[in-house]
Amino acid sequence: GAVVSQHPSRVICKSGTSVKIECRSLDFQATTMFWYRQFPKQSLMLMATSNEGSKATYEQGVEKDKFLINHASLTLSTLTVTSAHPEDSSFYICSAQDRGTEAFFGQGTRLTVV
Amino acid sequence: RKEVEQDPGPFNVPEGATVAFNCTYSNSASQSFFWYRQDCRKEPKLLMSVYSSGNEDGRFTAQLNRASQYISLLIRDSKLSDSATYLCVVNGNQLGGSNYKLTFGKGTLLTVNP
Repeated sequence: GAVVSQHPSRVICKSGTSVKIECRSLDFQATTMFWYRQFPKQSLMLMATSNEGSKATYEQGVEKDKFLINHASLTLSTLTVTSAHPEDSSFYICSAQDRGTEAFFGQGTRLTVV
Repeated sequence: RKEVEQDPGPFNVPEGATVAFNCTYSNSASQSFFWYRQDCRKEPKLLMSVYSSGNEDGRFTAQLNRASQYISLLIRDSKLSDSATYLCVVNGNQLGGSNYKLTFGKGTLLTVNP
């Protein structure tokens, strides 16, 4: 089946630094990828839709200048958390939809900002 | 009304029990419906799609009632390994091409006890 690979799986960074998370679709081309955030005991909340070759579409309340998304190729999208703060600590997950139906998720990145 | 609303849970059941989860959705134009399973600190994985005619996969049965905008999941003869969070997912707004935005319920935590 389709596989989406996300890296890193875990990162600890200092407050004020930036962190880049990569999401790759390994055996299919994904013109659209999605980035979610999940706080403890909460559901996945869509942050933004990443579109290959164009600007990402952000959900209401998500700062586009803080969460930079780049979808430079059909198999790679990156999310950069800029000037991270402790409140940005969360589980970040990407997904891609093969042929628009079933969503395949990356393994997730657990970000801890200290 | 929330876009996707699930039983709050948590559910604690003994092995062998039958457990049912319910979910309602607000967007009557929604196209596809799914149940995902998420283990602690892991990414969600597709459990099964939900069809209007109802569908069964082993011990799992999913039902959809479009008129009532209601989805259910029934687990029979529950196993210890069924312990997880079950997410009701609705495929909602079309983003263009063949891609749709998924909306997740908050999830219901199931613990199956020996």
